[in-house]
Amino acid sequence: DTEVTQTPKHLVMGMTNKKSLKCEQHMGHRAMYWYKQKAKKPPELMFVYSYEKLSINESVPSRFSPECPNSSLLNLHLHALQPEDSALYLCASSLDVVGLAEGKSSYNEQFFGPGTRLTVL
Amino acid sequence: GIQVEQSPPDLILQEGANSTLRCNFSDSVNNLQWFHQNPWGQLINLFYIPSGTKQNGRLSATTVATERYSLLYISSSQTTDSGVYFCAVGIIGSEIQGAQKLVFGQGTRLTINP
Repeated sequence: DTEVTQTPKHLVMGMTNKKSLKCEQHMGHRAMYWYKQKAKKPPELMFVYSYEKLSINESVPSRFSPECPNSSLLNLHLHALQPEDSALYLCASSLDVVGLAEGKSSYNEQFFGPGTRLTVL
Repeated sequence: GIQVEQSPPDLILQEGANSTLRCNFSDSVNNLQWFHQNPWGQLINLFYIPSGTKQNGRLSATTVATERYSLLYISSSQTTDSGVYFCAVGIIGSEIQGAQKLVFGQGTRLTINP
């Protein structure tokens, strides 16, 4: 089963709201990722969690707050967003973050969820 | 940082035609993935191909890591092949933990007309 699930599918929020995006996988993957994709652009990495610890933060504004409560779950907490934050938010997971050593060459293959389409009014 | 360039940016074909999509990258990479993004935004894994050649039905891919490029071949195109094809390369994003990140090209938008 190579499925990553994301909820909600769509979210509309005001600039003063607090909301959360949820991502879940049950493939035993130990690395999870958040990407942001604007219209007609490629996905851009926001955060990487490895073994439930934050490994990469791509200088994302603090109004985006990631959380990894356990190895299967990844949240993205949203607060005081701006209209320009409207985008498709994609979650991904991989077995591990590294993998070229010792023949584990496919450990870092990433699998994506269907995304949450966020609109900030 | 690393540059990932895909060509052509747009491609319009008739059903049944063959096509070749190219991905060039500017530095050594740990891995390379090809994705198809459907109209609903879902990124579908096509190939994990840091080097060599793979085939899956009407699709095949070749990566020549020493020359820093990858090719995606689509044969006998169908209307369901329409969408955006992304090449993404994996690089080390954190020296402390060796965590990898994917850097995407701008994509090739493929339209298959019936």
